[in-house]
Amino acid sequence: DARVTQTPRHKVTEMGQEVTMRCQPILGHNTVFWYRQTMMQGLELLAYFRNRAPLDDSGMPKDRFSAEMPDATLATLKIQPSEPRDSAVYFCASGLVGVGLAPGELFFGEGSRLTVL
Amino acid sequence: QKEVEQNSGPLSVPEGAIASLNCTYSDRGSQSFFWYRQYSGKSPELIMFIYSNGDKEDGRFTAQLNKASQYVSLLIRDSQPSDSATYLCAVGGDMRFGAGTRLTVKP
Repeated sequence: DARVTQTPRHKVTEMGQEVTMRCQPILGHNTVFWYRQTMMQGLELLAYFRNRAPLDDSGMPKDRFSAEMPDATLATLKIQPSEPRDSAVYFCASGLVGVGLAPGELFFGEGSRLTVL
Repeated sequence: QKEVEQNSGPLSVPEGAIASLNCTYSDRGSQSFFWYRQYSGKSPELIMFIYSNGDKEDGRFTAQLNKASQYVSLLIRDSQPSDSATYLCAVGGDMRFGAGTRLTVKP
């Protein structure tokens, strides 16, 4: 049963620490999204990749967030240094987009719940 | 800045009623529109997508798209308590989501 896998599922850290979240997209999917969800802001797009190339990271605070896809099976989201306002659930989602076609269904991971004290 | 707006709710309807969820978007060039459902503590999952103006029906769900008005809606007929969830509208190839509308269906 193909699914998007995210680690860690839960993370509690102190302000100023580095946090790295990992995502394994579904094999064969060519597009990977990172979202952040809070009660106040809903589901915010942070960044997304197509064929491992970053297409848009305008939703990320550039001074502290970075997103990469070192290979087709791994996407990472790093926060350094972390702040209490970064506390949220971070979702990774993957999908298959054909050239010239609209995107199809996104499959979401279970999310990484981050708490920064 | 591309915006996707949803009526934040919460929306409460009695069992068996029609629930109407609305979404507007700012990017006039958007070509694809999606409705996701998210149960509390879970991940979003796709309910429907729509690309063309008009209505698209799937069981008890109907998506309606009006590109001229930059408006997409989701109707849920014969609402059930199991439909109680947050409904998220997503727009465009970069899959930008609205804040979601929380729906409660009361038995």
